[in-house]
Amino acid sequence: DAGVTQSPTHLIKTRGQQVTLRCSPISGHKSVSWYQQVLGQGPQFIFQYYEKEERGRGNFPDRFSARQFPNYSSELNVNALLLGDSALYLCASSLEPGNTIYFGEGSWLTVV
Amino acid sequence: AQSVAQPEDQVNVAEGNPLTVKCTYSVSGNPYLFWYVQYPNRGLQFLLKYITGDNLVKGSYGFEAEFNKSQTSFHLKKPSALVSDSALYFCAVREQSGGSYIPTFGRGTSLIVHP
Repeated sequence: DAGVTQSPTHLIKTRGQQVTLRCSPISGHKSVSWYQQVLGQGPQFIFQYYEKEERGRGNFPDRFSARQFPNYSSELNVNALLLGDSALYLCASSLEPGNTIYFGEGSWLTVV
Repeated sequence: AQSVAQPEDQVNVAEGNPLTVKCTYSVSGNPYLFWYVQYPNRGLQFLLKYITGDNLVKGSYGFEAEFNKSQTSFHLKKPSALVSDSALYFCAVREQSGGSYIPTFGRGTSLIVHP
């Protein structure tokens, strides 16, 4: 069975630009979460979605937004990129909120 | 509020020796506890979890973890380390009920297994 898949795997953006990251959950999983991981840190929670509704939001500015589609896939959008947004963005899925989460390989974002 | 502490940034062990990666936690009620491993330039892989029951939890790749409620700890262990175990290890916690369903992760511990 396919695991959590994310795209793109690597991308470089310029300050002020916008980026969209995509995630497909494990088949049958209805909950998707997004995390940001900067070098030397653990994953920091950004958003959780379940059945297309936002169930949780971390301490991130409004430049960060996300949505979940009817097929349970998800997108993370970041507007007005800053150098500090450079990080590994991880998507994780679970059957439902509260179940064990399983991560994708991540999307490496570099802002120059 | 829930939190996790991994007091060691790095653990060094010789191949074949036992290894321990430490984790302590803080939650308001009873915890769910998790260990994940991250290899270079990869995502996190689930190793094991504690929900309830036996304090010794067995997981993937020969790893196990011991839940100690009185010490609020959940240390990761393996009887005999392999060079291929070298990676970054993350402990995570969330409250069983009455709180967010979202786990909080520690900063990670780099495990280096020497041949």
